[in-house]
Amino acid sequence: QSVLTQPPSASGTPGQRVTISCSGSSSNIGSNTVTWYQQFPGTAPKLLIYSNDQRPSGVPDRFSGSKSGTSASLAISGLQSEAEADYYCATWDDGLNGWVFGGGTKLTVL
Amino acid sequence: EVQLLESGGGLVQPGGSLRLSCAVSGFTFNSYAMSWVRQAPGKGLEWVSVLSGTGGITYDADSVKGRFIISRDISKNTLYLQMNSLRADDTAVYYCARHSGSWLQQFDSWGQGALVSVSS
Repeated sequence: QSVLTQPPSASGTPGQRVTISCSGSSSNIGSNTVTWYQQFPGTAPKLLIYSNDQRPSGVPDRFSGSKSGTSASLAISGLQSEAEADYYCATWDDGLNGWVFGGGTKLTVL
Repeated sequence: EVQLLESGGGLVQPGGSLRLSCAVSGFTFNSYAMSWVRQAPGKGLEWVSVLSGTGGITYDADSVKGRFIISRDISKNTLYLQMNSLRADDTAVYYCARHSGSWLQQFDSWGQGALVSVSS
């Protein structure tokens, strides 16, 4: 059972906008910034969003993040088949004194 | 270019020990916190341990506390994870990851991973 809660799956058709939610608590998302990672099968995760809504250089602006209270969301607009991957949210937990991840969301482009 | 390269993975019996290494290059090692993150087969990501940039602060996940030790050798630009009393549920791909600064900041670079299998 992950500390952060994500839906196990999400899907959309090309061109659509999809969102992935990440729910936590006051000791993690409520107190710290949220990061998002993209992972393709058999490869290492890649930083997608940091500080709730910031994109590293090279990440397309189709990807956006937001946070409100103890929840966060990743939005992907103009969905493309290349976005089919696993997505994880993560943040520091002040109570556990450690990083916590969501269980991951598998995105399927129909 | 930032590079992280893990080594030392392999098959070990339950109760045994293994040491993972992560050779880093392309940045000043003692300016960044470093973590180990693992992923069991078919499962999600799980943070394991973090070492501060100064090397003076470490935190461990409850699942490995008292069994795993994170450390580094600045002269060799290498991060380590000493894993003792290994259990079957420690089987995973272990990634080393660099934080953007302090341990509170995001993981901005990842290694390719090292597979650790714990089985008799």
